[in-house]
Amino acid sequence: KNQVEQSPQSLIILEGKNCTLQCNYTVSPFSNLRWYKQDTGRGPVSLTIMTFSENTKSNGRYTATLDADTKQSSLHITASQLSDSASYICVVIVSGGYNKLIFGAGTRLAVHP
Amino acid sequence: GAVVSQHPSWVICKSGTSVKIECRSLDFQATTMFWYRQFPKQSLMLMATSNEGSKATYEQGVEKDKFLINHASLTLSTLTVTSAHPEDSSFYICSARWQGAADTQYFGPGTRLTVL
Repeated sequence: KNQVEQSPQSLIILEGKNCTLQCNYTVSPFSNLRWYKQDTGRGPVSLTIMTFSENTKSNGRYTATLDADTKQSSLHITASQLSDSASYICVVIVSGGYNKLIFGAGTRLAVHP
Repeated sequence: GAVVSQHPSWVICKSGTSVKIECRSLDFQATTMFWYRQFPKQSLMLMATSNEGSKATYEQGVEKDKFLINHASLTLSTLTVTSAHPEDSSFYICSARWQGAADTQYFGPGTRLTVL
């Protein structure tokens, strides 16, 4: 069964601190993995897209890693800002057909001043 | 580029009425659009896949007669919640599939439906 599991479920950090969110998946056949940021009451916005051959990809203060062997990914947020408070969703795309998206439950991040 | 809009952004209706939500790809053509539902503190759940010019494909457990989907053009898909009830209150999000290099789905901003 295709599944994406994220941890932690929720996280509170102080402004300026770093944090790392985890994503484990059992999806086959694998196409790519994406991290999305979803603000409350808004649609998800893509942060990074990683294919099978990519290990690390950065987008500003966001850095995603992918270990295709262990089927794990992480999203590291550097120097957090209050605006980083949101849900971060790991999504794995199944290859072929409609390229179905398998969603993780998300990590709810709260950045406090 | 690759902007997807939804209208309305929020709607409140009485139980028993029907509500139509529009999803538009503003700067690209989308042969396939997707409709998701999201309950509080939960992730997105795929309801149906909408294909331009053909019938939508519904996920298991989603009533096709209650959630009517029309994809009449390459830039517009509509979701109509018929005879809405309070349990249909949710956040509805659409996405449009871009056949570019990354074959990416771009998400709309969502529509908050509240049924009284």
